[in-house]
Amino acid sequence: DAKTTQPTSMDCAEGRAANLPCNHSTISGNEYVYWYRQIHSQGPQYIIHGLKNNETNEMASLIITEDRKSSTLILPHATLRDTAVYYCIVRVSRDSSYKLIFGSGTRLLVRP
Amino acid sequence: AAGVIQSPRHLIKEKRETATLKCYPIPRHDTVYWYQQGPGQDPQFLISFYEKMQSDKGSIPDRFSAQQFSDYHSELNMSSLELGDSALYFCASSLVKGHYGYTFGSGTRLTVV
Repeated sequence: DAKTTQPTSMDCAEGRAANLPCNHSTISGNEYVYWYRQIHSQGPQYIIHGLKNNETNEMASLIITEDRKSSTLILPHATLRDTAVYYCIVRVSRDSSYKLIFGSGTRLLVRP
Repeated sequence: AAGVIQSPRHLIKEKRETATLKCYPIPRHDTVYWYQQGPGQDPQFLISFYEKMQSDKGSIPDRFSAQQFSDYHSELNMSSLELGDSALYFCASSLVKGHYGYTFGSGTRLTVV
């Protein structure tokens, strides 16, 4: 199972872009990178996922390096409500199950 | 849009008692996952079901069991409860085929006293 490494914590100013890095150097060719976030004691929330191309949706952008060994989640205009723990997860697939294994995540604090 | 429904939201039990947590996945989702999150910890995968059959197992104690019923709802049964079982328990559902994000429920907070 590919492992991910993320900074323990980060902070950014409200209204600025938040760039959250993730290393996944052992990722295999058919594994996707998923990002989730968890706002205090709520259920984790899906943000975005990608394989090798950059992706964008209404919440964020995902930039994956060409060698796929790292990625960056970008929140273009962070708000106070984006304060949360952000998890970068490589999706493990086995037979009919695609379990997500959560690592330690990055605690993002958005400052007023 | 319909979400994943978990019940109850809060549960207080005494040591050695039994608890049953319920999860109602999003309609048409064929897979259910259970996670346990202790205080200050990250979510830990317990068990999953695909089309009502157990599909994967994580660090689930032998005192715990789970099943998925014909209507696709799932129940996590926990017996001989210990203080260390106090945690948030999340259920998530998804479609196996394709690449979709999981949808998590709001969780059940179990407190064992």
